[in-house]
Amino acid sequence: DAGVIQSPRHEVTEMGQEVTLRCKPISGHDYLFWYRQTMMRGLELLIYFNNNVPIDDSGMPEDRFSAKMPNASFSTLKIQPSEPRDSAVYFCASSLRGYEQYFGPGTRLTVT
Amino acid sequence: GESVGLHLPTLSVQEGDNSIINCAYSNSASDYFIWYKQESGKGPQFIIDIRSNMDKRQGQRVTVLLNKTVKHLSLQIAATQPGDSAVYFCAETPGTYKYIFGTGTRLKVLA
Repeated sequence: DAGVIQSPRHEVTEMGQEVTLRCKPISGHDYLFWYRQTMMRGLELLIYFNNNVPIDDSGMPEDRFSAKMPNASFSTLKIQPSEPRDSAVYFCASSLRGYEQYFGPGTRLTVT
Repeated sequence: GESVGLHLPTLSVQEGDNSIINCAYSNSASDYFIWYKQESGKGPQFIIDIRSNMDKRQGQRVTVLLNKTVKHLSLQIAATQPGDSAVYFCAETPGTYKYIFGTGTRLKVLA
């Protein structure tokens, strides 16, 4: 079975550019989560969706961050404009009914 | 995947010995707990979970113990193998799907 798929795996961009991270959850899962991992702050939940609807975005750092889930098999996390402090590994996770979350391999974002 | 690397507590265990990784959780209202393993360059991988109405749960070579009185969670790995080397995270949630992750413990298995 394919797990959670994320793309790109690595992204290097310059400050001020728009960045779009993509996620394909496990088929049949009804929850999708976006996390950010840094050395200083560890793993932080940014936003999660249930049945494609955003439920809690209280972890989104600021208006520069936005997330969408247009259908059950695709989600995006967009940063516009990007800043060096956004450099981190971004994970997408999916779950059936919310509890046991399965993580993707992550996207390592570097903003110079 | 990155982890909280610079100041991670590290547990070094001889191959074949048992490992015990501890976690203190913060919210007395938390009712679901989960352990994840994260290898370098990968996403967290589910190991085992436990609900607050239990104090012990066993999986394959792993056991999770929950002590709600002192808000303490532990993960025991039997007969530790080199492939167990990773960073281990506990996570808690008080009845929502918003996990609160601990800072992690690095497990090093010595040959």
